[in-house]
This record gives sequence, C-alpha cells and structure tokens, in this order.
Amino acid sequence: KNEVEQSPQNLTAQEGEFITINCSYSVGISALHWLQQHPGGGIVSLFMLSSGKKKHGRLIATINIQEKHSSLHITASHPRDSAVYICAVGVQEADGLTFGKGTHLIIQP
Amino acid sequence: DGGITQSPKYLFRKEGQNVTLSCEQNLNHDAMYWYRQDPGQGLRLIYYSQIVNDFQKGDIAEGYSVSREKKESFPLTVTSAQKNPTAFYLCASSIGGYTGELFFGEGSRLTVL
Repeated sequence: KNEVEQSPQNLTAQEGEFITINCSYSVGISALHWLQQHPGGGIVSLFMLSSGKKKHGRLIATINIQEKHSSLHITASHPRDSAVYICAVGVQEADGLTFGKGTHLIIQP
Repeated sequence: DGGITQSPKYLFRKEGQNVTLSCEQNLNHDAMYWYRQDPGQGLRLIYYSQIVNDFQKGDIAEGYSVSREKKESFPLTVTSAQKNPTAFYLCASSIGGYTGELFFGEGSRLTVL
C-alpha cells in the first residue's frame, strides 16, 4: 500500500508570499491529484498529474516520478487561498487512491 | 449546472439506527466513490462503483452498504453494524476512474448521539 506524506502539516504566511506544499509517496504511481478543501468541507480538484508540470492561474503543480515527489506552488498568495490542500495518489484502479492528511494553509492579509 | 449533490448536509442518528446518505450526479460519469474523513486523517475509501449494478468494497467497507441502480445515483447506508459512524462523508465521481478529474459533493456530516 502506498504511503503518502505531505509537508508541512500547517503553514501560515503573509499575503503575497510564494507558497510551496510538498507530497512524497512510496510506490510508483499512475496518477497524482492535488485537491483543495474549503472550511465548509467541500473539495475541489486542482490538478491531476502523471508527469511534468501543470499551471492554472497562480497555481503550479510539478511531479518528479523518479524521486516520487510532487509540489504544489501558489504564487502571489491571497487570503482566499486559505484552505486544506490534499495530495492523493493512485497505482491501479482496483486499489483506489491513497490520500495524504492534508496541509492546512492560512494566508494572513 | 453539472455537479454532485449530497444530502443531507447534517444528520444525527441514534445508536442502532441505519441511515442513508444520498449522492446524485448529473455529469454522466461512470465512476462514483464514497469516502470517509476523520479529523487528522486522510480520506479513506468505503465503496466505489465503475458501472451500474456493480460496486466494489474499499478499505473500510465494514458496516456500510451501497447500491448503484442508476448511473446518476450512488446512495450509502450506514448500518448499525458500523461501530464508529460519526464522521464526514464525501461522495465523488469521475469520468475515467481515478486517472480522470475528480468531482466531489459538499459532504454529509453524520453524528451519532
């Protein structure tokens, strides 16, 4: 079973700072997801990666398959980015996804 | 608008009662999932379904049951056999299994009194 570790667990930063959240996993994967969970509990998919890098607005996600590591970056952070960011990985469909415990991000004005 | 609707948002149950959580999607997705979220833990898979009339147990299926009679609907029943049912439950769907984008409902918070 894959082990997924996220770091940091908690992060507080000032508005405008560049944010990096890390995700490491133990077994080679077919897909990695970055998710955002808002205080009310709803979850939104940010990215699905199998290789390389993706960018959407101020969010950038990268993955290094050899090192079994992915990062989520937020540029020009804003208080509305405050949320829990969750990494999830999958090897094969029958095993489902393995989720990290999440990184709780607070951006202060 | 397309999306996933979960109901109820909050539910209170007495010990020994079965409760059913609703999950409906109008995204025309084949794959649907139920996850449980507990404080300080990652989401854990309860059941998933890749096609109508077929579903598979996840990591923590004991004490839960599901049905998939229609493509749009994947209700979860929390039975009295579930020893610690108080949790946040999330339903999700995707068009191509976990290698596709995941769409989540807003969740249902179940509290056992």
